[in-house]
Amino acid sequence: DIQMTQSPSSLSASVGDRVTITCRASQDISNYLAWFQQKPGKAPKSLIYAASSLQSGVPSKFSGSGSGTDFTLTISNLQPEDFATYYCQHYNSYPLTFGQGTRLEIK
Amino acid sequence: EVQLLESGGGLVQPGGSLRLSCAASGFTFSDYDMNWVRQAPGRGLEWVSTISTTGGGTYYADSVKGRFTISRDNSKNTLYLQMNSLRAEDTAIYYCARRTGGDYWGQGALVTVSS
Repeated sequence: DIQMTQSPSSLSASVGDRVTITCRASQDISNYLAWFQQKPGKAPKSLIYAASSLQSGVPSKFSGSGSGTDFTLTISNLQPEDFATYYCQHYNSYPLTFGQGTRLEIK
Repeated sequence: EVQLLESGGGLVQPGGSLRLSCAASGFTFSDYDMNWVRQAPGRGLEWVSTISTTGGGTYYADSVKGRFTISRDNSKNTLYLQMNSLRAEDTAIYYCARRTGGDYWGQGALVTVSS
């Protein structure tokens, strides 16, 4: 099975900051990677698919990059509504797996 | 507008069964793979199962293989998850999600396994 490791597990940042979250796959997954945002008590929301493609309606402040085993999600100009938990997921092969999540908190 | 609405959650005793449904609207249901993903209280996301567009391909996490069955009725635009031999560790919110990579998600159905 492919393991997905996110770092950091938690992150404190200020409004207006730019942050980067990393996701590493235990083997090559090409670009079969998605990123999700989840706020407390809510369903996850898709942000990025195919490692770097923005889902319809998602603001361009979110960007993804990477291929193979190393991927990043970057969020620029942080706003209060961006403070949430972020997950990566590979969909290269079954079983699909998620990273453990990165909790983004307000400093 | 794409909508996914889960139903069928509730409280069940260990060893019991439950069937979740996910009613889809706003898109051509038969064109998309569909997924179930769960989240135990205070924990991260866990993929549970995927079914292909025709239902001919089904895939399961090892944690539910042999106990859970995913199915779909394209004539009713509905996805199902039959859960048997439920355990306490199956307690979670169960989400249905469209397509591998999950572009749309339902609001979730809470399943609690407890005596």
